[in-house]
Amino acid sequence: EVQLLDSGGGLVQPGGSLRLSCAASGFTFNNYVMTWVRQAPGKGLEWVSTISDSGGYTFYAESVKGRFTISRDNSKSTLFLQMNSLKDEDTAIYFCARGGPNYYGSGSPQGDFDCWGQGTLVTVSS
Amino acid sequence: DIQMTQSPSFLPASVGDRINFTCRTSHTISNYVNWFQQQPGKAPKLLVYAASRLHSGVPSRFSGSGFGTDFTLTISSLQPEDFATYYCQQSFSTPWTFGQGTKVEV
Repeated sequence: EVQLLDSGGGLVQPGGSLRLSCAASGFTFNNYVMTWVRQAPGKGLEWVSTISDSGGYTFYAESVKGRFTISRDNSKSTLFLQMNSLKDEDTAIYFCARGGPNYYGSGSPQGDFDCWGQGTLVTVSS
Repeated sequence: DIQMTQSPSFLPASVGDRINFTCRTSHTISNYVNWFQQQPGKAPKLLVYAASRLHSGVPSRFSGSGFGTDFTLTISSLQPEDFATYYCQQSFSTPWTFGQGTKVEV
């Protein structure tokens, strides 16, 4: 069974840091682009960051560029999101999802975001 | 950035209704549109990709159509488990963007 398990969320003060993880199982992790998507409380979905299957390219939303770093460890089938200089507006549930933009920024003909983690809540507050 | 405008934001409905969700994009994007369903407290689920292709395991009462800037998700006969929020999303160019969602409620 294809599965993604998000973890690492919690309460952090503004300006603080947090590292999220997403453990994958049931598929060949290093064959897939992977993405983080977030959802602020009561709000819609926002694409945050994507990393290629090999880690050779990454994309970031403007709202997190320079503060967040996406990475992956293919030997452990795990995706990461290092979040620094956190702001109140980063408060959200963070989901990892399978798939995402290719090098040219467009999606797969076979579809993207076909599998999601359960989400991990990040609360930025003093 | 490509803007995704969904209408309506809230949709009162009853079991058995035929439901249409509309999504309009600010730029022409071919068929690079996906549709998701999200139940409260859960992760989104992919329903339709490439505007009209049904994801594996999704009931056939769901269908998608459209090309360019105007897209539609249809539920032919609403079932109790379909009361949820539905999002369109473009995968044409980064940053990938979502519509604001349409919540189907009783």
